Amino acid sequence: DVKVTQSSRYLVKRTGEKVFLECVQDMDHENMFWYRQDPGLGLRLIYFSYDVKMKEKGDIPEGYSVSREKKERFSLILESASTNQTSMYLCASSWARGPNQPQHFGDGTRLSIL
Amino acid sequence: AQSVAQPEDQVNVAEGNPLTVKCTYSVSGNPYLFWYVQYPNRGLQFLLKYITGDNLVKGSYGFEAEFNKSQTSFHLKKPSALVSDSALYFCAVRAYNNNDMRFGAGTRLTVKP
Repeated sequence: DVKVTQSSRYLVKRTGEKVFLECVQDMDHENMFWYRQDPGLGLRLIYFSYDVKMKEKGDIPEGYSVSREKKERFSLILESASTNQTSMYLCASSWARGPNQPQHFGDGTRLSIL
Repeated sequence: AQSVAQPEDQVNVAEGNPLTVKCTYSVSGNPYLFWYVQYPNRGLQFLLKYITGDNLVKGSYGFEAEFNKSQTSFHLKKPSALVSDSALYFCAVRAYNNNDMRFGAGTRLTVKP
């Protein structure tokens, strides 16, 4: 089975802090994604990456950056955390072999910014 | 750009009754359609997908989904609901020519004993 591991299940940070969310997958997937999930809004794509050192902006990249130094690891960075970034963050990965591949998700990080 | 609508925020059914969770989509060209389930404090789990071929797709845990091209719908169904099916369900669509997957807002299914 595909395993996507997010380093923290729950995280509490303060406004203005730099926050790192880590994600590791064990299936050698080329594609990795970061979403945030908010009630009534579903999943919104923040950033994604199709290869090492490669990144693309999603729908809501403002206030975030990402890093992909190794194929299995995709990090989301909140440069200066704000209260409106309190949310559930989900990491996902998939094969690059075409659009019929499902994404596999981690269990999420529930982030609270105080 | 592709999009998905899940018209019901909440669906309630009695255990043993059939269930339907609705999804309609908009996409250029042939769609790739997916259903995911999310249990409390967990990530999304893949249930099933439609790529091409038979309009009735079978997936995990006894779920199936019916693709209807003329109505641009991909409704999730199960003949007999279980209490353990209670969860949040997401429909997603992807166009044939990109990796960008769009999710609906989710439908919360509650199955009562």
